[in-house]
Amino acid sequence: GAGVSQTPSNKVTEKGKYVELRCDPISGHTALYWYRQSLGQGPEFLIYFQGTGAADDSGLPNDRFFAVRPEGSVSTLKIQRTERGDSAVYLCASSLAGAGETQYFGPGTRLLVL
Amino acid sequence: GDSVTQMEGPVTLSEEACLTINCTYTATGYPSLFWYVQYPGEGLQLLLKATKADDKGSNKGFEATYRKETTSFHLEKGSVQVSDSAVYFCVLSGGSYIPTFGRGTSLIVHP
Repeated sequence: GAGVSQTPSNKVTEKGKYVELRCDPISGHTALYWYRQSLGQGPEFLIYFQGTGAADDSGLPNDRFFAVRPEGSVSTLKIQRTERGDSAVYLCASSLAGAGETQYFGPGTRLLVL
Repeated sequence: GDSVTQMEGPVTLSEEACLTINCTYTATGYPSLFWYVQYPGEGLQLLLKATKADDKGSNKGFEATYRKETTSFHLEKGSVQVSDSAVYFCVLSGGSYIPTFGRGTSLIVHP
């Protein structure tokens, strides 16, 4: 079956602009995670959804970052007033239920802020 | 809070050599432990996992044993292949629902 998909695969934007990154999880997976990965580092947790609600958003670095999952499936990560330091690969993963379960990762969106 | 420490890379080996990538962790409660792998140009994928103490996860010739007494989950393979060249991540997932990743260890296998 289809895996986790993310769009766009690459995004180049200018400092100060707004961007949206989309994640389509595996059908039936209730848990969805967003991570940010910088070069040479492991994925850094941003936010976790269980169904439609953000169960834990403690990893969001500041209030310029926001994510939604209105129907419990597709999720959008939104970044306002982008800064050069936001440049990274943004990863999405889904799992059947949550803690302790195998996560299935998308290919990521590579964001470059000029 | 929870944390994962894995050995720094890159690890460079010749084909058929033995591999060990060390991973230790700190966590409250009884987390599940995972190794994920990222092959060049591909996304992260699960390699193996163990959900309780003394469990051994295995896949594609790789093994790791969940050692509660030493808080470790070292990744081992007896004979590596060129196709094993990738970045390996040790991951902890416990009751907080927030998975914690190690920094990753790059493995380079030469023919």
